[in-house]
Amino acid sequence: GAGVSQSPSNKVTEKGKDVELRCDPISGHTALYWYRQSLGQGLEFLIYFQGNSAPDKSGLPSDRFSAERTGGSVSTLTIQRTQQEDSAVYLCASSLTGSYTEAFFGQGTRLTVV
Amino acid sequence: AQSVTQPDIHITVSEGASLELRCNYSYGATPYLFWYVQSPGQGLQLLLKYFSGDTLVQGIKGFEAEFKRSQSSFNLRKPSVHWSDAAEYFCAVGGIRGGGKLIFGQGTELSVKP
Repeated sequence: GAGVSQSPSNKVTEKGKDVELRCDPISGHTALYWYRQSLGQGLEFLIYFQGNSAPDKSGLPSDRFSAERTGGSVSTLTIQRTQQEDSAVYLCASSLTGSYTEAFFGQGTRLTVV
Repeated sequence: AQSVTQPDIHITVSEGASLELRCNYSYGATPYLFWYVQSPGQGLQLLLKYFSGDTLVQGIKGFEAEFKRSQSSFNLRKPSVHWSDAAEYFCAVGGIRGGGKLIFGQGTELSVKP
């Protein structure tokens, strides 16, 4: 596609529910990243995919967070048993091959846990 | 551990005045350095990047940045600020362990006075 697409753009969920956030990267980009942006924490790295594998998942804050990528394209970030501290904007980015190339960011999904 | 510090949380400049946003990094190897801009409700847009070579790099929208290894700095500059430059600016370091992960600073919010 023309850019990185994320859906939904906004999500309000009740505490304890599971949520799935979707990222559709730029066509042909092999690297995909998830970040979280919250007040007081800034922009935090969550996980990095190269193709369908995740060589770096060091930023996932707990085992309630998981992500997968299928077909080297779309990725889903799942948060189980959501907590209020999970409220944030979740940003996805993709790049052509990885560290030597520019990362393009989506508009983000604003998650609010009530 | 890798880190990025942006000492100024908020800066206000007059339209037409010059701008310098500070960024200091901590990274043991040669860093890949980036400046991103985020307008309200938008994703992040790359302004410029440094991988190697000339330490003064030019970016989009009239921005430039200078890499100073001795000071571990990568400050962003613009000679004449426009009202449309009001946004949040993020410095980031990448290329960690050969991957595409970015470590971001806390951001500097720029306001422009007419």
